[in-house]
Amino acid sequence: QQPVQSPQAVILREGEDAVINCSSSKALYSVHWYRQKHGEAPIFLMILLKGGEQKGHDKISASFNEKKQQSSLYLTASQLSYSGTYFCGTEGISGGYNKLIFGAGTRLAVHP
Amino acid sequence: DAGVIQSPRHEVTEMGQEVTLRCKPISGHDYLFWYRQTMMRGLELLIYFNNNVPIDDSGMPEDRFSAKMPNASFSTLKIQPSEPRDSAVYFCASRGLAKNIQYFGAGTRLSVL
Repeated sequence: QQPVQSPQAVILREGEDAVINCSSSKALYSVHWYRQKHGEAPIFLMILLKGGEQKGHDKISASFNEKKQQSSLYLTASQLSYSGTYFCGTEGISGGYNKLIFGAGTRLAVHP
Repeated sequence: DAGVIQSPRHEVTEMGQEVTLRCKPISGHDYLFWYRQTMMRGLELLIYFNNNVPIDDSGMPEDRFSAKMPNASFSTLKIQPSEPRDSAVYFCASRGLAKNIQYFGAGTRLSVL
């Protein structure tokens, strides 16, 4: 089943923060986050494994709450380059190892 | 490394024609995935291979779609006959055994008229 992402779209001014959520109804082994710019391929951002870890890269970080089967992506002090569509991909524990099911995406627009 | 290579980048064809999309995964990667992306349905997994063997094809929409991986460095996705509703961007992705990260190719934009 497809994970649910929220919000569907976000508009920010440069320097503002945003949180994107990803929720699944199935037990998860991992959550993957990707960013896709218009007309381009999805680019890997980070992976969070079962264990409730939190990862970060520059001003982008993420958390994974395995009890709630939820992950959140945190974008702080947003830059123009952060604009794009963010997808979470979930890897299930039962019958779903190795394949990712992607959410519908969250469109992020950062303006000067 | 050159990354995942897909060809062609754009394909325009007429309804009823056969379409073949090609993918070269990253060298050393043993998993290969085919996805389809549309505005309505988002990014859907069609089929994936492990060591050239199809593992899960439950996402293949119908018998008109078929995929092969004759060797570790090449895969094809074929649509025969093509229909206008097949119009989409088709992505190929690969990953290695050690790192559970999928790397996507640039995609093939298919338009069926």
